[in-house]
Amino acid sequence: NAGVTQTPKFRVLKTGQSMTLLCAQDMNHEYMYWYRQDPGMGLRLIHYSVGEGTTAKGEVPDGYNVSRLKKQNFLLGLESAAPSQTSVYFCASRRDLLAGVYTGELFFGEGSRLTVL
Amino acid sequence: SQQGEEDPQALSIQEGENATMNCSYKTSINNLQWYRQNSGRGLVHLILIRSNEREKHSGRLRVTLDTSKKSSSLLITASRAADTASYFCAFPSGGNTGKLIFGQGTTLQVKP
Repeated sequence: NAGVTQTPKFRVLKTGQSMTLLCAQDMNHEYMYWYRQDPGMGLRLIHYSVGEGTTAKGEVPDGYNVSRLKKQNFLLGLESAAPSQTSVYFCASRRDLLAGVYTGELFFGEGSRLTVL
Repeated sequence: SQQGEEDPQALSIQEGENATMNCSYKTSINNLQWYRQNSGRGLVHLILIRSNEREKHSGRLRVTLDTSKKSSSLLITASRAADTASYFCAFPSGGNTGKLIFGQGTTLQVKP
């Protein structure tokens, strides 16, 4: 199993450009999340999804859009990148049950490092 | 901010010593989790403690939860250089919405 895979791993954008980060999980998890991590700020939730076809806003959703057309994929889009969106982006999916016991455990990708000039 | 607060922000200890880090949160929760992040990597789940549990152990890890004080602690005993990492607490926010919020993290350095 690959777990959670994020692409691309690195990207440099100019202000105003658009891009999409792709997250793919092969564990059949319902819940998926996008976080950003900035120095001294920990992880902040951007958007999340509780299942295929659903999305919801997190703590810092402005400037981002998401889509969950297929259960295994969760896309994060930046329509018009700004320097404030320079960050490391992490995707995660959630395992709810293990041997019938709730775990709520998140599995993370390795991160996508985005620089906006 | 809905984020949890972790304390201390940074901790430096010698190998063999114990490391304690604390997490406080503001809302009622039904569970709390701890994660570890090695430099440049994704987070890895360590342990989950439920609101009806006061203490839980996993190897050299001990987690406590005090729902009356809205706080949790993570104790790593007999630390090793390989424990050097950042540690984050995480907890549900907004009832059963699926939203999971992280604390700001404690950076632990264990010196050999």
